Amino acid sequence: AQSVTQLDSQVPVFEEAPVELRCNYSSSVSVYLFWYVQYPNQGLQLLLKYLSGSTLVKGINGFEAEFNKSQTSFHLRKPSVHISDTAEYFCAVSERVLGSNYKLTFGKGTLLTVNP
Amino acid sequence: GAGVSQSPRYKVAKRGQDVALRCDPISGHVSLFWYQQALGQGPEFLTYFQNEAQLDKSGLPSDRFFAERPEGSVSTLKIQRTQQEDSAVYLCASSLAGTGAYEQYFGPGTRLTVT
Repeated sequence: AQSVTQLDSQVPVFEEAPVELRCNYSSSVSVYLFWYVQYPNQGLQLLLKYLSGSTLVKGINGFEAEFNKSQTSFHLRKPSVHISDTAEYFCAVSERVLGSNYKLTFGKGTLLTVNP
Repeated sequence: GAGVSQSPRYKVAKRGQDVALRCDPISGHVSLFWYQQALGQGPEFLTYFQNEAQLDKSGLPSDRFFAERPEGSVSTLKIQRTQQEDSAVYLCASSLAGTGAYEQYFGPGTRLTVT
């Protein structure tokens, strides 16, 4: 079974500063990797995903993430954050196994707070 | 176009009551998922439908939880004899197909509070 660890439960940053949200995963098989964002009282929205190919993945709203297989990590980065980026961010994995690759396993989330 | 909708958005139930939570997926989406999100936690998988077939219910926490999707579109999650530990946000998601490569689109959730 796979698991996801988000190392920081809260990350406060100032507007226009860079940010990195950390995610490590554990799985006995290859995985797909995802980052979702959840704004208050809304559902989750996909930011980006890694399926295969280039390990640097670009997503919406200026976010990007890098898959590092040796470190089993998929950290999310943004070079300059805005107030509107304040939200909860979830890292998720699914196994590359036919018949079970639909099941997302989420981390506990990281609350990003962008201060003026 | 319209996204995934869920109703009600908020539900308060007294312990022991039965509740039914509805999910309207995006039109044409074959796959439908239910997740449970406890306070301060990430979503946890409950169950998965492909059309009307429930292919995986391994995440349902007890036999008090029951989900159906009789016509392959709208789905209902029913919880019988609610307990306080059932208090959570219940999220529904749909996707074009049931593989990890396809994006799951999430609804806003139903916040269930059991008193």
